[in-house]
Amino acid sequence: QQNVQQSPESLIVPEGARTSLNCTFSDSASQYFWWYRQHSGKAPKALMSIFSNGEKEEGRFTIHLNKASLHFSLHIRDSQPSDSALYLCAVSVGDNSKLIWGLGTSLVVNP
Amino acid sequence: GPKVLQIPSHQIIDMGQMVTLNCDPVSNHLYFYWYKQILGQQMEFLVNFYNGKVMEKSKLFKDQFSVERPDGSYFTLKIQPTALEDSAVYFCASSLNRVGNTLYFGEGSRLIVV
Repeated sequence: QQNVQQSPESLIVPEGARTSLNCTFSDSASQYFWWYRQHSGKAPKALMSIFSNGEKEEGRFTIHLNKASLHFSLHIRDSQPSDSALYLCAVSVGDNSKLIWGLGTSLVVNP
Repeated sequence: GPKVLQIPSHQIIDMGQMVTLNCDPVSNHLYFYWYKQILGQQMEFLVNFYNGKVMEKSKLFKDQFSVERPDGSYFTLKIQPTALEDSAVYFCASSLNRVGNTLYFGEGSRLIVV
């Protein structure tokens, strides 16, 4: 049974800071890796995904995957108060569309 | 961006009664999902649905649960009868394809069984 863990549980950073969020998974057959963002009371919304080892950058957001370490991360450059939200990582295995989720990291960016 | 609508947003129901949660997925999407989140716990996969059939379900998808999407209308999750442990937020999602595709979620239906 896949186990997905996120760290830290919560994070408070000043505006403009670089923020790093971590996600570890237990099943080495995992193939698809996602970060979702959820503002309070709203729908989880896909932020970024990565399907092979390495790094992908989209604007202020960078996702990094190391399958050998069973770890992927999300980095936010120049954090903004609007980035304050719950960040959820999710993993799927093989050709399975089922997502296994972490508990989330609650991020607060103070102006 | 694409939106998934869920109705109702909240419902309180007596144990043993039936409840139907409705989902209006993104219009051109073909795959539909229900996830369950108990307060303070991870969101967990319940079921996925394609071409009128359940493709995969988890052990959380008890015999009292059923899903359908009659004639392209709402994608529904029905629980009959409800139990106290069914209290949770139920998220509906849809995607265009199955593997490696972005899931678009609704805002959830909060179900409280008393």
